[in-house]
Amino acid sequence: EAQVTQNPRYLITVTGKKLTVTCSQNMNHEYMSWYRQDPGLGLRQIYYSMNVEVTDKGDVPEGYKVSRKEKRNFPLILESPSPNQTSLYFCASSLEGGRNQPQHFGDGTRLSIL
Amino acid sequence: GDSVTQMEGPVTLSEEAFLTINCTYTATGYPSLFWYVQYPGEGLQLLLKATKADDKGSNKGFEATYRKETTSFHLEKGSVQVSDSAVYFCALSDRGTGGFKTIFGAGTRLFVKA
Repeated sequence: EAQVTQNPRYLITVTGKKLTVTCSQNMNHEYMSWYRQDPGLGLRQIYYSMNVEVTDKGDVPEGYKVSRKEKRNFPLILESPSPNQTSLYFCASSLEGGRNQPQHFGDGTRLSIL
Repeated sequence: GDSVTQMEGPVTLSEEAFLTINCTYTATGYPSLFWYVQYPGEGLQLLLKATKADDKGSNKGFEATYRKETTSFHLEKGSVQVSDSAVYFCALSDRGTGGFKTIFGAGTRLFVKA
């Protein structure tokens, strides 16, 4: 089954404790992206990757890191999480990074930073 | 910069009522336009898309027409069902500085009563 898989689905942690949210897709997609969803703000893009070893900042990259060493994986890293990063996070992928390409989303990761 | 504005929700309708969710956009280029739907506890799913002016996207009884002159992409359905209860997101995709970016509206929650 074609899918985008995120782990964990839920995480409660404390300020400053490094964490990684994994994202994997099995569709051989070139383009991958991370978003955060906050009430009243919709989805805002954190980082995106056009292909392996090619990443770029989205609209809200501060406090986050990503890497794209393999085509299928695109982990999101919070080196020193803070409470303002409490949010619902989505990973997405598309066949390529073109304007006509719809994105396929994972089921989300709810992070709570205390 | 590019932006998407959706009507605020929640929208509450009775089953078989007519649905309109307004969406307008601003863009520096010539974007593609999308509607995504999010059911509780899930990621976003593509509902429909349109890639050029006057295109009509349609799926599952939902329709939206790309209106360049009014920069709008309103979502309509002639007769809603309880199962249509979800959050609906309007989005545009256009070329950014480093690649293609997708900008989402804030989302509109729809409740359909039996």
